[in-house]
Amino acid sequence: ILNVEQSPQSLHVQEGDSTNFTCSFPSSNFYALHWYRWETAKSPEALFVMTLNGDEKKKGRISATLNTKEGYSYLYIKGSQPEDSATYLCARPANTGNQFYFGTGTSLTVIP
Amino acid sequence: EPEVTQTPSHQVTQMGQEVILRCVPISNHLYFYWYRQILGQKVEFLVSFYNNEISEKSEIFDDQFSVERPDGSNFTLKIRSTKLEDSAMYFCASSPQRSNSPLHFGNGTRLTVT
Repeated sequence: ILNVEQSPQSLHVQEGDSTNFTCSFPSSNFYALHWYRWETAKSPEALFVMTLNGDEKKKGRISATLNTKEGYSYLYIKGSQPEDSATYLCARPANTGNQFYFGTGTSLTVIP
Repeated sequence: EPEVTQTPSHQVTQMGQEVILRCVPISNHLYFYWYRQILGQKVEFLVSFYNNEISEKSEIFDDQFSVERPDGSNFTLKIRSTKLEDSAMYFCASSPQRSNSPLHFGNGTRLTVT
């Protein structure tokens, strides 16, 4: 079992604020790190798949960085909007690649 | 854009009854998964399926659980004799490759065992 941890568990920010949260994971036998956004009443939607140490990916106002040596990834949201309110999940594949271990998620609420 | 579809969206069943949760993965995907989330807890892996057989399963996936891909399009999860603790949101997912491709999730089936 891989222990994937996310912090904080929940976050409330004002519209327009920038924010970031953390995913930490075992760094050994690393293949990839996934970020998903999960809005209430919808299915998780893939944001990023990151594979290389030092990777930085961006999608609109959301970006993510990866440090495979120390086992963490940061997700940043610039200028948060109410529609960014969701749970953000990270997941790391097992060594076999046949399953993914998910963190508990960070629940983000953006207050208008 | 193609999507993973799951039916039903909500299933209520009595303890001890059998349930079948259905999923239609994206047609050119090769890897299929079932996950579940009990309210307030982590998303948990149940089983992965590739090349018409189970490639990995978790401790949760005991003899009461089975999966099938009967016709090349549907991917089903069967729970033979449901328990109260099986109540959860069950998600099907598929991907074209293994770890380097994102998972595409269905909208989930909420299973309530009474």
